[in-house]
Amino acid sequence: QSVLTQPPSVSAAPGQKVTISCSGSSSNIGNNYVSWYQQLPGTAPTLLIYDNNQRPSGIPDRFSGSKSGTSATLGITGLQTGDEADYYCGTWDSSLSAYVFGTGTKVTVL
Amino acid sequence: EVQLVQSGAEVQKPGESLKISCKGSGYSFPNYWIGWVRQMPGKGLEWMGIIYPGDSETRYSPSFQGQVTISADKSISTAYLQWSSLKASDTAMYYCARGRGSRWNYLFFDYWGQGTLVTVS
Repeated sequence: QSVLTQPPSVSAAPGQKVTISCSGSSSNIGNNYVSWYQQLPGTAPTLLIYDNNQRPSGIPDRFSGSKSGTSATLGITGLQTGDEADYYCGTWDSSLSAYVFGTGTKVTVL
Repeated sequence: EVQLVQSGAEVQKPGESLKISCKGSGYSFPNYWIGWVRQMPGKGLEWMGIIYPGDSETRYSPSFQGQVTISADKSISTAYLQWSSLKASDTAMYYCARGRGSRWNYLFFDYWGQGTLVTVS
């Protein structure tokens, strides 16, 4: 039972935009930095966003992150078939003294 | 090039012990955290714990405290995850990942191993 809640799935047509929410509390998202991970089918996760809105080198600017209060959002613009994957948010939880991942969201390109 | 290479798939029986490994290369292994993440079949990611190879400081998720042991040997740039008595419910893919961040609240994982599939049956 994760403390970070994400929608199970989102979908859109190629070229469109999707947003994925990650809802938490003051003990996690509200006072800590959020990262996002992409897991393509059958592969290990990879880092997409760190420190709420920073992209590692090599990650296209179609991917963006933001945070407001106790929620964070991942945006994907110009959706491509290669973006079909599971996406997870993650952050430190100060009450648990543990890193926590969100429940995960499956992105489908229609 | 930063790489984390994990040991191969394991098939074990309930009650047996197991130790899987994660070898880092392409960076200063002692100076970065290594975390372990479980993914049960068809499920999401679960953070198990983390170790700093430089001084072996370790933290566990409350969900995994006492269930597994995380260790590291900085002389061979390798981190380990071990079980003393496996259960069928330990069947999962296990990933190691390099942790970054100046403090806990900045923590994120920038490089991941390929995963080790553990089957207990």
